[in-house]
Amino acid sequence: DAGITQSPRYKITETGRQVTLMCHQTWSHSYMFWYRQDLGHGLRLIYYSAAADITDKGEVPDGYVVSRSKTENFPLTLESATRSQTSVYFCASSESSTGGNSPLHFGNGTRLTVT
Amino acid sequence: DQQVKQNSPSLSVQEGRISILNCDYTNSMFDYFLWYKKYPAEGPTFLISISSIKDKNEDGRFTVFLNKSAKHLSLHIVPSQPGDSAVYFCAAVPPGGNTPLVFGKGTRLSVIA
Repeated sequence: DAGITQSPRYKITETGRQVTLMCHQTWSHSYMFWYRQDLGHGLRLIYYSAAADITDKGEVPDGYVVSRSKTENFPLTLESATRSQTSVYFCASSESSTGGNSPLHFGNGTRLTVT
Repeated sequence: DQQVKQNSPSLSVQEGRISILNCDYTNSMFDYFLWYKKYPAEGPTFLISISSIKDKNEDGRFTVFLNKSAKHLSLHIVPSQPGDSAVYFCAAVPPGGNTPLVFGKGTRLSVIA
């Protein structure tokens, strides 16, 4: 089915561990995004990508690494997880960078808990 | 510095009445404004948008109003239904065409039957 899927839906990890959140889209959208949602902060952009092998930092990139070797995949890696990275993570895709005329399509999120 | 502000964290409205969700912004150069709706355990979904050259856009029960002089936009839902209960995010498109959306913190709407 066409769409954007995130895996896993839930993840519990320990402080200091590396963890990778996966995102896959089937629309061949050029742009992909990673957001985190926290109470009192709304949606904050972590990283985004305009195309394969092109990535840019968003508002809160520290502690995260991304890669985009293929258009359809945009994994997010926490190299050494901290408790402050406990959050719900959303991946999104769009035909444009801003989603003005082509709105962002979001996955259903990954709830990450760092103990 | 928060460029898009949703000052009401929550709002409760009776079924059948009008819901008005507000959003203020600081950058007069924003090109476009969008509203996203989010249910629990799901990702946000696009609801409605408005260009900065317009002052109103309507789609069924949903209308967005833009007041550029006040740097304010609002989302009206008439009539409100229990299924409208969700978190609503206001978002703005920065000028230039290459910078991602700026989101507000969201307003949780509860429609009471």
